[in-house]
Amino acid sequence: EAEVAQSPRYKITEKSQAVAFWCDPISGHATLYWYRQILGQGPELLVQFQDESVVDDSQLPKDRFSAERLKGVDSTLKIQPAELGDSAMYLCASRSRALNTEAFFGQGTRLTVV
Amino acid sequence: SQQGEEDPQALSIQEGENATMNCSYKTSINNLQWYRQNSGRGLVHLILIRSNEREKHSGRLRVTLDTSKKSSSLLITASRAADTASYFCATDPQVYNFNKFYFGSGTKLNVKP
Repeated sequence: EAEVAQSPRYKITEKSQAVAFWCDPISGHATLYWYRQILGQGPELLVQFQDESVVDDSQLPKDRFSAERLKGVDSTLKIQPAELGDSAMYLCASRSRALNTEAFFGQGTRLTVV
Repeated sequence: SQQGEEDPQALSIQEGENATMNCSYKTSINNLQWYRQNSGRGLVHLILIRSNEREKHSGRLRVTLDTSKKSSSLLITASRAADTASYFCATDPQVYNFNKFYFGSGTKLNVKP
């Protein structure tokens, strides 16, 4: 069964360092999402891509976060510099471009900033 | 906010009992999805219900949608210890052209053996 792949699964980094997460969506899925989930809360949408274009990054802290999906396939989310408050689970999801279809999530990257 | 809100925040039941979780939202939607999340893991898709549907079933899961009340419920029948997890609803608002979806804060279900 096709899956959304994310790496790394866990990342510990010192504050002020740079960190990057990678996501490979299900083949053929045009829509890709990055969510951040703080412990005990629901996921919060950071950025949404349709193919290689960003369609929503309104909640992305653009002074330190960046995201790209250059060829409309896999995607990278970067934080530079990392802050203590960035400690969270970063989840990637993908979805067909058709309406009313399910979105599938990867296992996430657990980031701890020390 | 377009987010769904789940109720209750936490639910503790005995194995074999039914568990009901509710989700309320504010704006008209294209669809609503329910997800399960085991501790520290990714989200697993359970059911998607479209705005023109009223009820869907999948195994021991039953989801209802009442668009007039802007609410949905997830029923898990004959619960098992393995159902212990957090459950989230995600709403896909009609106002957007692209497939967006927003999560509530979830219901934490504990099924005691």
